[in-house]
Amino acid sequence: SQTIHQWPATLVQPVGSPLSLECTVEGTSNPNLYWYRQAAGRGLQLLFYSVGIGQISSEVPQNLSASRPQDRQFILSSKKLLLSDSGFYLCAWSWGLAGNEQFFGPGTRLTVL
Amino acid sequence: AQSVTQPDIHITVSEGASLELRCNYSYGATPYLFWYVQSPGQGLQLLLKYFSGDTLVQGIKGFEAEFKRSQSSFNLRKPSVHWSDAAEYFCAVGASHAGNMLTFGGGTRLMVKP
Repeated sequence: SQTIHQWPATLVQPVGSPLSLECTVEGTSNPNLYWYRQAAGRGLQLLFYSVGIGQISSEVPQNLSASRPQDRQFILSSKKLLLSDSGFYLCAWSWGLAGNEQFFGPGTRLTVL
Repeated sequence: AQSVTQPDIHITVSEGASLELRCNYSYGATPYLFWYVQSPGQGLQLLLKYFSGDTLVQGIKGFEAEFKRSQSSFNLRKPSVHWSDAAEYFCAVGASHAGNMLTFGGGTRLMVKP
């Protein structure tokens, strides 16, 4: 069966510090991968998605970036965090065919102070 | 571009009462539709999905949803709510192109009174 991991689970960072969040998927190959942000009391905002190694599409311009160095690894990064980057970050994966559901990881709670 | 509207931000029901959460979508073709549930501080769990065929879809935890093309709706229902159903519920529509992206509604927070 497939599982998706995210770490860390929680993170408190000062403004201006770098960020690296990691997501890994087990039990499948060549998945589509997604990064979402969920601000407090808000819905999900798609940040990035990837259909293959090294292929990243950005949905929202911001100071975040994503990379996919391996087939089942997806990393969300920032060089300098802003207060507005605080939120709950969710990674998800799906099979590539249209109509397939996305499976979500447990999330990372990021607080920028 | 597709969009999803969940008109009710908060809903409170009594335990044992029936539940209906509304979802309206906008999409030019036949949509793929999903309902997810999120407990506080957790990821999202799929309740059910509509892909094609029977417009009444059964899901986990006793939930069902009905696809009504004429009303562009995909409302979620449960005949008898349990206290453990208190959570946030998200409706989503999927696009039939590369990337298999989902567009989510803003969510409905369900509270259950004892």
